Amino acid sequence: KQEVTQIPAALSVPEGENLVLNCSFTDSAIYNLQWFRQDPGKGLTSLLLIQSSQREQTSGRLNASLDKSSGRSTLYIAASQPGDSATYLCAVDSNYQLIWGAGTKLIIKP
Amino acid sequence: GAGVSQTPSNKVTEKGKYVELRCDPISGHTALYWYRQSLGQGPEFLIYFQGTGAADDSGLPNDRFFAVRPEGSVSTLKIQRTERGDSAVYLCASSLTGGDRVTGELFFGEGSRLTVL
Repeated sequence: KQEVTQIPAALSVPEGENLVLNCSFTDSAIYNLQWFRQDPGKGLTSLLLIQSSQREQTSGRLNASLDKSSGRSTLYIAASQPGDSATYLCAVDSNYQLIWGAGTKLIIKP
Repeated sequence: GAGVSQTPSNKVTEKGKYVELRCDPISGHTALYWYRQSLGQGPEFLIYFQGTGAADDSGLPNDRFFAVRPEGSVSTLKIQRTERGDSAVYLCASSLTGGDRVTGELFFGEGSRLTVL
């Protein structure tokens, strides 16, 4: 059974720092992996989607990598801003369903 | 519409009552998903529609939960004899692609927060 873990559960850093969020999954047979952002009381916004054949995807200050063999993905955020404060969730498409991590709550301090 | 719309945004009901939650997906999106999210957790899959049919309903927790999408656009999640444990945010998402699996970007609504007293 696929399980997705995100560590740390919460992270607080000063504005301007580069940071890395981690996502690990137990079954490497995935179709794709997505990173989402969730603001308090809001729905989820898709940030990046990495197909299983890809190693990374980039969008602006965000870069997501995927290493299927080790069951890991990272989301790199460059030059963090207070507006980046949110909960970041990863989800893997595994066995025809999206399996989600519990998220990392990120706080960027001005 | 411009985005996925969910109504009501908040619903408070008493244990044992019947509840309907509505999702209006992005126009043209054939795939529609229902998830349930409890505080501090990631979303939990409930059901996936491709067009009018439920392609995968394996996430529905029991027979008190049912969902329909009669015309392939708007979907309604129905919960009978609500229990306190049903309290959660119910999220709807749609995708342009879909087919047999999640292949495209998902667009989420803001969710319906259900509280069962």
